Amino acid sequence: AQSVTQLDSQVPVFEEAPVELRCNYSSSVSVYLFWYVQYPNQGLQLLLKYLSGSTLVKGINGFEAEFNKSQTSFHLRKPSVHISDTAEYFCAVSDQGNNFNKFYFGSGTKLNVKP
Amino acid sequence: GAGVSQSPSNKVTEKGKDVELRCDPISGHTALYWYRQRLGQGLEFLIYFQGNSAPDKSGLPSDRFSAERTGESVSTLTIQRTQQEDSAVYLCASSWTSGGHNEQFFGPGTRLTVL
Repeated sequence: AQSVTQLDSQVPVFEEAPVELRCNYSSSVSVYLFWYVQYPNQGLQLLLKYLSGSTLVKGINGFEAEFNKSQTSFHLRKPSVHISDTAEYFCAVSDQGNNFNKFYFGSGTKLNVKP
Repeated sequence: GAGVSQSPSNKVTEKGKDVELRCDPISGHTALYWYRQRLGQGLEFLIYFQGNSAPDKSGLPSDRFSAERTGESVSTLTIQRTQQEDSAVYLCASSWTSGGHNEQFFGPGTRLTVL
């Protein structure tokens, strides 16, 4: 089974600064990769996903993520954050193999954007 | 159209009582998932339904947990003889079909507190 690691539980950053939220997964089998965002008092919503093709994936609100197969990573980045990006971000992985119906989630990273 | 809805939004119960949590998926979504999110942790897969197929119950933590879904409609998650360690947010998600490449749409969750 997969395990997903988000090393940073909290990331404080000033507005307009760049940010990177890290995600690593355990298994090197073919995977689908996702980032979900949870704004305060709201449900999780999809930010972006990697299924195949280009390893650089662009999502909503100016976020992007890069799939690195050799490092089994899928880090999320934004060049300039806004106060409204304050939320919790979850990385998720789904195997393309036997357990392809299961999603494995990381423990989340709380991004706190300060003025 | 309407998103995934869950009820109740909050539930406080006493240890040993049974609780029932409800999920209404997006109309037309054949796949439905239940997750548990303990404080400060990631989403933990509980159970998965796909149409009329037998559900994948591999994530249920004990026989006190059960879930039902009739066809492609409402699902209920039942926890019998609740324990304090059952306190968590229970999230429901649905998707058009099975397969790890499909985006899951999440409900707002039910926060369960067992006293």
